[in-house]
Amino acid sequence: AQSVSQHNHHVILSEAASLELGCNYSYGGTVNLFWYVQYPGQHLQLLLKYFSGDPLVKGIKGFEAEFIKSKFSFNLRKPSVQWSDTAEYFCAVNAKNAGNMLTFGGGTRLMVKP
Amino acid sequence: GAGVSQSPSNKVTEKGKDVELRCDPISGHTALYWYRQSLGQGLEFLIYFQGNSAPDKSGLPSDRFSAERTGGSVSTLTIQRTQQEDSAVYLCASSLDFGSNQPQHFGDGTRLSIL
Repeated sequence: AQSVSQHNHHVILSEAASLELGCNYSYGGTVNLFWYVQYPGQHLQLLLKYFSGDPLVKGIKGFEAEFIKSKFSFNLRKPSVQWSDTAEYFCAVNAKNAGNMLTFGGGTRLMVKP
Repeated sequence: GAGVSQSPSNKVTEKGKDVELRCDPISGHTALYWYRQSLGQGLEFLIYFQGNSAPDKSGLPSDRFSAERTGGSVSTLTIQRTQQEDSAVYLCASSLDFGSNQPQHFGDGTRLSIL
């Protein structure tokens, strides 16, 4: 079975600061990787995903994530955050070609101060 | 509608009562998923449907939990004899099919509070 760890539970940044949220997974096989975001009062939305190919993937709103297979990591980054990025961020994985059951990390609450 | 719809949005009930949560997936999506989001527990996978079939029910927390899907569309999650530990946000998601590369689209959830 897969497991996902997000080590930062709460992050507070000022606008224009750079962001990196850690995500590590544990699984012996090949995985697909996802980042979801939940803005206050809204439903979970897909931010970006990695299936194969270029390990640096770009998502919406200027976010990107890099898959480092040797480190079992899929960290989320944004060069300059905005107040509107205040949200909870979830990393998730599923086992490639084995159905679509997502295993989520515990989430990271990001607060961006204006 | 355009997205996944869940009802009710909030449910408060007394311990021991039965509750039924409803999910209406995106039209045409054959795969449907239920998750639970508890304080301190993160997002926990409960069960999935391919069409009307739920091949694996091992993610359900106890035998008080059951789920069904009819007509390949609406799904209901039923919790019998609710306990306080059942308090959580119950999320439903759907995807075009059950392929691992299909993004899941989530509803707003049902916030369940057991008194």
